Amino acid sequence: DTAVSQTPKYLVTQMGNDKSIKCEQNLGHDTMYWYKQDSKKFLKIMFSYNNKELIINETVPNRFSPKSPDKAHLNLHINSLELGDSAVYFCASRSVGTGELFFGEGSRLTVL
Amino acid sequence: AQTVTQSQPEMSVQEAETVTLSCTYDTSESDYYLFWYKQPPSRQMILVIRQEAYKQQNATENRFSVNFQKAAKSFSLKISDSQLGDAAMYFCAYRSANAGNMLTFGGGTRLMVKP
Repeated sequence: DTAVSQTPKYLVTQMGNDKSIKCEQNLGHDTMYWYKQDSKKFLKIMFSYNNKELIINETVPNRFSPKSPDKAHLNLHINSLELGDSAVYFCASRSVGTGELFFGEGSRLTVL
Repeated sequence: AQTVTQSQPEMSVQEAETVTLSCTYDTSESDYYLFWYKQPPSRQMILVIRQEAYKQQNATENRFSVNFQKAAKSFSLKISDSQLGDAAMYFCAYRSANAGNMLTFGGGTRLMVKP
C-alpha cells in the first residue's frame, strides 16, 4: 500500500544508453513531479504534470522526456545517458488540501 | 524566482538536547507555504512540519516546532529532546500559494545526533 512508488530503485547503465524510470501514486492526487537530487544532495525540480498535462518544465536537456499516461502515473525516459545524469531521481505527488508533497523512495541512477 | 537558503551544511546535537536548524527564503509574495522535510539514510523524503504564511502561530508537531518570522523571511526548525533517529538531512522548502505549484528546496542541513 505504498503511496508513491518508483521502479527501479537502483539502475546502473553505460553512457549512451536509454533508460526509463516509472512512477505511480495511489493517493488520487492530480499533480505529480520529478525532482533530481545531485551528489551534494541538492533537490531540483525537473517537471510537473497536472492531470496528465505538463505544467512545469525546468531547464532540462531534451534527452529527458516525461510521459503521463494517466494522472496516477508519471514516467521519466532518458535518452543517450551521460555521466552527469548520475543522481537520485524522486517522483512526488501533491495533496491539493495541504500542499504537501508525497515522495517516492527515489531511484538511484549511476551512469558508467 | 524564490530562493531558499540553509546556511548550516552540518549540525551536531547531543542526544536529549535541543537543536535549531536555520532557513531563510527570498520572495516578493505574501501568501505561501513553508515546509521542513527529513531525509534519513534510507533516502525517503518525509514531511516533518508545515507552516502557512498567513498564520501567525508557529506550527508544532510533537518534538518539532518552527520559529516563523515573516518579516525577516526566516523559518527555523527546533528539535527538542533529540533522538538518534532524528539523524538525517533536513530540507527547508517553499511553495507559492499563487503561481505554480512546485516546491523550491534549500540546500539541506545534515544533522548528526551524538549518543
